[in-house]
Amino acid sequence: EAAVTQSPRNKVAVTGGKVTLSCNQTNNHNNMYWYRQDTGHGLRLIHYSYGAGSTEKGDIPDGYKASRPSQENFSLILELATPSQTSVYFCASGGGVNTLYFGAGTRLSVL
Amino acid sequence: QQKVQQSPESLIVPEGGMASLNCTSSDRNVDYFWWYRQHSGKSPKMLMSIFSNGEKEEGRFTVHLNKASLHTSLHIRDSQPSDSALYLCAAVVNTGNYKYVFGAGTRLKVIA
Repeated sequence: EAAVTQSPRNKVAVTGGKVTLSCNQTNNHNNMYWYRQDTGHGLRLIHYSYGAGSTEKGDIPDGYKASRPSQENFSLILELATPSQTSVYFCASGGGVNTLYFGAGTRLSVL
Repeated sequence: QQKVQQSPESLIVPEGGMASLNCTSSDRNVDYFWWYRQHSGKSPKMLMSIFSNGEKEEGRFTVHLNKASLHTSLHIRDSQPSDSALYLCAAVVNTGNYKYVFGAGTRLKVIA
């Protein structure tokens, strides 16, 4: 099965601090996605990428930046973390009409 | 503005019973749908996809799609306690690449 690895798995950050969530995939998929999951909202798309060097805004991009330096790596950056960004974050990769493969998730708490 | 609506929010069925879950998109650019299952504390895992009108069956799971109304449904027969999970519907929009938009999910509980 396709492998998507997220780090860290858990993170506690302070309000106003910078947080970087990392995602690595070894499936050679072109497309990568960042979602957050909160009770009652399912998975909401933050940013996505169609290949190295590209990033696109999803449905809730405010307060987040993304970086895709290579085919394998896709990062989500919170420049000034706020308590409202406390959530579980999932990275996923997929290729064309293929399904998405999700990482194990990162639980972020902003205090 | 949730573009993918799932119903019901939660569902309880007895072991051996039938569970029926619904999903509708308001985006006319949707190409197809995926269903995912997420057990508590885990990441979503693919269940089934449906690309064209009609019905698709895989074991105890059947998916229907009506492209005109952008409505899909998932039916689980002979439900088992291990089917208890959050079921997520994803509408896939193809604008040259693929954007997956998820609904809020249906939480299914199968009681023995």
